[in-house]
Amino acid sequence: DAGVIQSPRHEVTEMGQEVTLRCKPISGHDYLFWYRQTMMRGLELLIYFNNNVPIDDSGMPEDRFSAKMPNASFSTLKIQPSEPRDSAVYFCASSLVGDRLPLGSGNTIYFGEGSWLTVV
Amino acid sequence: GNSVTQMEGPVTLSEEAFLTINCTYTATGYPSLFWYVQYPGEGLQLLLKATKADDKGSNKGFEATYRKETTSFHLEKGSVQVSDSAVYFCALTPSKTSYDKVIFGPGTSLSVIP
Repeated sequence: DAGVIQSPRHEVTEMGQEVTLRCKPISGHDYLFWYRQTMMRGLELLIYFNNNVPIDDSGMPEDRFSAKMPNASFSTLKIQPSEPRDSAVYFCASSLVGDRLPLGSGNTIYFGEGSWLTVV
Repeated sequence: GNSVTQMEGPVTLSEEAFLTINCTYTATGYPSLFWYVQYPGEGLQLLLKATKADDKGSNKGFEATYRKETTSFHLEKGSVQVSDSAVYFCALTPSKTSYDKVIFGPGTSLSVIP
């Protein structure tokens, strides 16, 4: 099975430009997560979706960030306008919870390889 | 609240040395516990997990036992290899009655030298 697929793997862009990161979760998974990783702040959860619906976006740093999941096999994270402090590795991840009981028990999260963003 | 605390890194060991990375947690209810590993340039991947007290998770020579009495889930390996050099994250999901986001520790960097 293919894992979580992210694109682009590397992106260098100028401050003020729009950045769009893309993610294809593992087929059949019902949860999708966007994380950001930096040396200073470690791994941060930005937003997550359940069955394509955003559940918790409290980790999104500000209005410049937006995420969508138009269908079960695709999600985007957009930064507009980008700033140098947005430079980080952005990970997409997915998980299958379904109707498993008890819910939340031992659910594994599968990560993509990350999108390495540099804003200059 | 729910949280995960890991020992500070970086940890540097010689090949074949014994490894322990400490992890303690705070959670309400009965969490599931995980260790994830991140190799250089890659995303995180599940290393092992335990879903109830006294369970032992194991994989690739690594082990961790869910200790409810000490709220700990320490990672151990008897003989590390250079290929084990990576960042290790302890994590939990807080409750088994509802899905909640995974809470990751800050990560512990391990370097194994020949």
